[in-house]
Amino acid sequence: SQKIEQNSEALNIQEGKTATLTCNYTNYSPAYLQWYRQDPGRGPVFLLLIRENEKEKRKERLKVTFDTTLKQSLFHITASQPADSATYLCALDVGRNTPLVFGKGTRLSVIA
Amino acid sequence: KAGVTQTPRYLIKTRGQQVTLSCSPISGHRSVSWYQQTPGQGLQFLFEYFSETQRNKGNFPGRFSGRQFSNSRSEMNVSTLELGDSALYLCASSRRTVMNTEAFFGQGTRLTVV
Repeated sequence: SQKIEQNSEALNIQEGKTATLTCNYTNYSPAYLQWYRQDPGRGPVFLLLIRENEKEKRKERLKVTFDTTLKQSLFHITASQPADSATYLCALDVGRNTPLVFGKGTRLSVIA
Repeated sequence: KAGVTQTPRYLIKTRGQQVTLSCSPISGHRSVSWYQQTPGQGLQFLFEYFSETQRNKGNFPGRFSGRQFSNSRSEMNVSTLELGDSALYLCASSRRTVMNTEAFFGQGTRLTVV
């Protein structure tokens, strides 16, 4: 069956360190992969999109990698800050005219 | 540019009742998707509308339905509410025609069924 898993339901990290979140999938061949941030009681907010032919994408302190062989994406936040504390969701675009498929998310807490 | 607007923000209903939620997408966005979010299941896709037509449908019972109007505004309806329908209902709009582009989510409607 098709599955998308974000390891670690929760991740605690010290301020200033790099947070690394993982998104693994099976039985999908996504063309794109997206990452979203969600704060409590609010809708997800788009962060980054990476295409299958891109290995890495960066935006300020954020970096995303996409390994279609391993079927995995890594999401890094460098120099993490308490304001980065939120739930981070990965989403797969699995084909034409199909909806995004979301993982359950990883709740990141950055401790000062 | 105004974001995605969902109304109401909070709703309390009784089992057996029906409810209608509304979503106004970002101007120019023709694709509107609905998701149900619960702590245990995460974001579950309900349906997507594009130019007033339902383009995709998730694995939800027929009690869940939706529609889209010519101005791209969308509504979803849940009939015969059950306790398990308590959730955050999120609407997302995008410019996408075929492949997905970034989705813009509303604040959600928190539905509580008692």
